[in-house]
Amino acid sequence: DGGITQSPKYLFRKEGQNVTLSCEQNLNHDAMYWYRQDPGQGLRLIYYSQIVNDFQKGDIAEGYSVSREKKESFPLTVTSAQKNPTAFYLCASSIAPQLAKNIQYFGAGTRLSVL
Amino acid sequence: RKEVEQDPGPFNVPEGATVAFNCTYSNSASQSFFWYRQDCRKEPKLLMSVYSSGNEDGRFTAQLNRASQYISLLIRDSKLSDSATYLCVVNTNTGRRALTFGSGTRLQVQP
Repeated sequence: DGGITQSPKYLFRKEGQNVTLSCEQNLNHDAMYWYRQDPGQGLRLIYYSQIVNDFQKGDIAEGYSVSREKKESFPLTVTSAQKNPTAFYLCASSIAPQLAKNIQYFGAGTRLSVL
Repeated sequence: RKEVEQDPGPFNVPEGATVAFNCTYSNSASQSFFWYRQDCRKEPKLLMSVYSSGNEDGRFTAQLNRASQYISLLIRDSKLSDSATYLCVVNTNTGRRALTFGSGTRLQVQP
């Protein structure tokens, strides 16, 4: 089946630890995105990538890092510099970000909690 | 002012009722608009795009008013399964082609 796969579904981070969230898509989409959602709030953009080997900071990039070495993969690392990492992390992709429509499709998300 | 604003609700309606949500956006250059549905503890899923002329998909009708910068979603004959949070989403086309999400309006349809 085509889609976006995020893993793990649940993740626990110890203080001072870096953790990496996986996002893989087999939709052949050019663009990929990472969002964070806190309870009762909308999605906030962390990082996005419109093409392989290129990515840009979103609105809340501090404490996070990404890479885009392959078209289908866009992993997110939550570093120890992110002091409040507990949230629901959502990865999305879209076929062509230059299109005005730019419909984004989401993975099932990763819930990150701090131990 | 938030870029995309929605009434958080909750809207509690009986089955069979008609309910409408509005959403306002601040950037007049915004080019495309969507409604996404998000179930509790799940990812958002596209419900429908919103076109200038208005569009309908079964019991759902979306409308766009560019002059007043608002989008609406009308749900007719509400079902229990419509209970969810509805996210208003705007593409401001600022060059990064990312979407701006409202905080969502929660709908609870009651038997």
